[in-house]
Amino acid sequence: DTAVSQTPKYLVTQMGNDKSIKCEQNLGHDTMYWYKQDSKKFLKIMFSYNNKELIINETVPNRFSPKSPDKAHLNLHINSLELGDSAVYFCASSQAGARVNTEAFFGQGTRLTVV
Amino acid sequence: AQSVTQLGSHVSVSEGALVLLRCNYSSSVPPYLFWYVQYPNQGLQLLLKYTTGATLVKGINGFEAEFKKSETSFHLTKPSAHMSDAAEYFCAVKAAGNKLTFGGGTRVLVKP
Repeated sequence: DTAVSQTPKYLVTQMGNDKSIKCEQNLGHDTMYWYKQDSKKFLKIMFSYNNKELIINETVPNRFSPKSPDKAHLNLHINSLELGDSAVYFCASSQAGARVNTEAFFGQGTRLTVV
Repeated sequence: AQSVTQLGSHVSVSEGALVLLRCNYSSSVPPYLFWYVQYPNQGLQLLLKYTTGATLVKGINGFEAEFKKSETSFHLTKPSAHMSDAAEYFCAVKAAGNKLTFGGGTRVLVKP
């Protein structure tokens, strides 16, 4: 069983469209994340949820809206897609706690291409 | 605030040679440190992590890293490179909260 799974793996869409990426983890973790990896491979955190509560919200356009229906799922909805949104989006999960020395487990990524 | 700097965006080594990837961090509290590897078109996989205790940490695939507090470094090494080590490597720090901050990554090329 895949620990952190994302769908779709590839997404090609036109500018102005709205799209969603889904993420599910079966590790029993309390915390989930969305990261964006740009064309230069730089990884930047976008959001983090702990038990369905938003705890990290970096400087991300309002067009990006995360939703966590339960602690095993964290979806990312993007409105009015722009060319600059093209990137690989990674979902991850980890155990909660500020001092818990746990690593994050990553999904395989969703390669979003906006044309 | 926490940050990570990886020196060298690309490293080229010959098969069988030493692999050395440099990572320096900045943190206002004692950090947890991680190295991840990313193979082409795949997600990130944990190589090793430092939490507390022994400063020399051994990971998978023959990699190890040493935490040096005085130098705020966590360099990754492997004594003998293999072709399968060609990948992107990321150093990361977790210091405050549950936020994992990554360095810019180092691409390793292995020459036969």
